[in-house]
Amino acid sequence: AQTVTQSQPEMSVQEAETVTLSCTYDTSESDYYLFWYKQPPSRQMILVIRQEAYKQQNATENRFSVNFQKAAKSFSLKISDSQLGDAAMYFCAYKYSWGATNKLIFGTGTLLAVQP
Amino acid sequence: DGGITQSPKYLFRKEGQNVTLSCEQNLNHDAMYWYRQDPGQGLRLIYYSQIVNDFQKGDIAEGYSVSREKKESFPLTVTSAQKNPTAFYLCASSKAGGTSEQETQYFGPGTRLLVL
Repeated sequence: AQTVTQSQPEMSVQEAETVTLSCTYDTSESDYYLFWYKQPPSRQMILVIRQEAYKQQNATENRFSVNFQKAAKSFSLKISDSQLGDAAMYFCAYKYSWGATNKLIFGTGTLLAVQP
Repeated sequence: DGGITQSPKYLFRKEGQNVTLSCEQNLNHDAMYWYRQDPGQGLRLIYYSQIVNDFQKGDIAEGYSVSREKKESFPLTVTSAQKNPTAFYLCASSKAGGTSEQETQYFGPGTRLLVL
């Protein structure tokens, strides 16, 4: 079965610095999608960035970028120029095809604190 | 503005009572999902629906029921058979198809269910 592992329960970064959150996954499939979601104290899940497994180029969204290593099954999130508003729980998620479903498998999350 | 709404924000259930959580979307998405989030865990899929009048069980469907009579609406009922219903419930929706945008799930603000 597919699994997603986030080995860092908590991380801390100074404002304006860069931080990297780790995510590894296990799958036997070759085509899939990977996502990072942010959950602030309001608890709404907000999409941060997504990556298609068939694309070798790493996805980038403003200050957020990923390091996608398909062979190593690794999908880390880099946040540059960290801001106070980046403080949140971050979830890594994997999407596979299960029949016709669009099921997401989530890791357990990394709680990011941003120090002023 | 397009989006997903969930109500109520907080819900209290008495022993032996069924309660219904509302989820509405005006994004014209075909697929809708219900997830449960417990402390220290990622999200787990309860039910999903790809089209109107059709839905499928997820990983933890026992004690829950759903309906999909309209494209915009996907209510979740927590029945008395669910012995541990205290959790945060998130509704999501997505388009149907194979592009990365279509594979992306967008979430509502959530409902916190507490047992009295």
